[in-house]
Parts: sequence; structure tokens; C-alpha cells
Amino acid sequence: AQSVTQLDSQVPVFEEAPVELRCNYSSSVSVYLFWYVQYPNQGLQLLLKYLSGSTLVKGINGFEAEFNKSQTSFHLRKPSVHISDTAEYFCAVRGGNTDKLIFGTGTRLQVFP
Amino acid sequence: EAGVTQFPSHSVIEKGQTVTLRCDPISGHDNLYWYRRVMGKEIKFLLHFVKESKQDESGMPNNRFLAERTGGTYSTLKVQPAELEDSGVYFCASSQGQGGSPLHFGNGTRLTVT
Repeated sequence: AQSVTQLDSQVPVFEEAPVELRCNYSSSVSVYLFWYVQYPNQGLQLLLKYLSGSTLVKGINGFEAEFNKSQTSFHLRKPSVHISDTAEYFCAVRGGNTDKLIFGTGTRLQVFP
Repeated sequence: EAGVTQFPSHSVIEKGQTVTLRCDPISGHDNLYWYRRVMGKEIKFLLHFVKESKQDESGMPNNRFLAERTGGTYSTLKVQPAELEDSGVYFCASSQGQGGSPLHFGNGTRLTVT
């Protein structure tokens, strides 16, 4: 069975600083990987996805993530964050013999001025 | 295109009462999913419809929860009778295909059982 671990429940950072939100997954088969963002009082919005091919995936709002098969990681990065990036970020995995999207517990990014 | 819509956005009910949540997926999306997030915990899968058929209902907590998708369009999730531990945010999502097709989520229904 697949699982996802987001190591940091909260990440505080100052505006214009770089940020990395960590995600590790566990699966015995090939999977698809996703990052979703939830802004306050809104639903989940897709940031980016990895299906196959290039391991560096670019998403919306300047975010990118790198798939690392050997380390089973899919960390999310942004070189310079804005106040508006304050939100909760979820890493998710899907694949194998199930169509479920399995989520991590989420990382709350707080950007300070 | 219109996104996934959920109704109501909030619901407060007493223990023992019944609540029905509704989800309208994106038009043309055969796959519809229900998820739930209990306070501070991960977003957990409840079930998956393909058109009107239940593909996977392994995440349904117990028989107090009943999901339907008559006609393969909108879906309802009924909780009867509600218990305190049912409180949380219920998300609906739809996708055009499976595998690598991303899920599109609604804004969720926040259910509070008192």
C-alpha cells in the first residue's frame, strides 16, 4: 500500500526567502505524484504533478518539485515566497492497483513580512 | 468550465440527526470521489464512483454513511445518525480519467456535530 509522509507540519519563513516543503512516499510500484494547495476557506487546488519523464516539474505560482526515485521523495520548492503563498500544502500519491489519491498530513506554510 | 460545487458549505447538527451533503462534479467527469478531513489529521479517502457505480468504498467508516450517485451526475453523502466523531470537512472531487488525471476538488462542506 502507498503512503505519504510530510515531515514538517509547519514551516515559517520570511517573505522573499526560499522554501522547501518535504515529501516522502512509500510504494512498491510506479506512482503518480501531486502537490495540492489549500488557501484559507477554499478547496484544494492542484499545484503540480509528476507522471513520467523529466524529474523536475514546474507548477503554478512559481513552485517546482523534483522527483527522486532513489530517495522516494518529491520535495516542493520556491526560490522566493510571497505573503500570498501562506496556505496549507499537501503531497499526494496515486497508482498501483488502486485509484485512490493518498494524502500526506499537510504542511502549513506561514510567510511573514 | 464550472468547477466542482458542494452544498452546503457549512452544516451544524445535533448528534443523532441526519445530514445530506451534495456534490456536483465537473460536467463530463465520470470519476467522483469523497474525502474527509477530521481536525488536524490527514485527508482520508472515503469512496470512488465511476459513473453511477461504486468502484471503491473501502474508506467508508461504517454503515451510518451512505453515498449515492444516481444517473452518474451529482452525488450525495448521507450520514444517519450523525455522531460527534463525524465532524470534519468533507471534500468532493472529480476527474476525467484515472491514474495520472488530476482530481479537481470542491471547497468542501464543514460538518459540525454537537
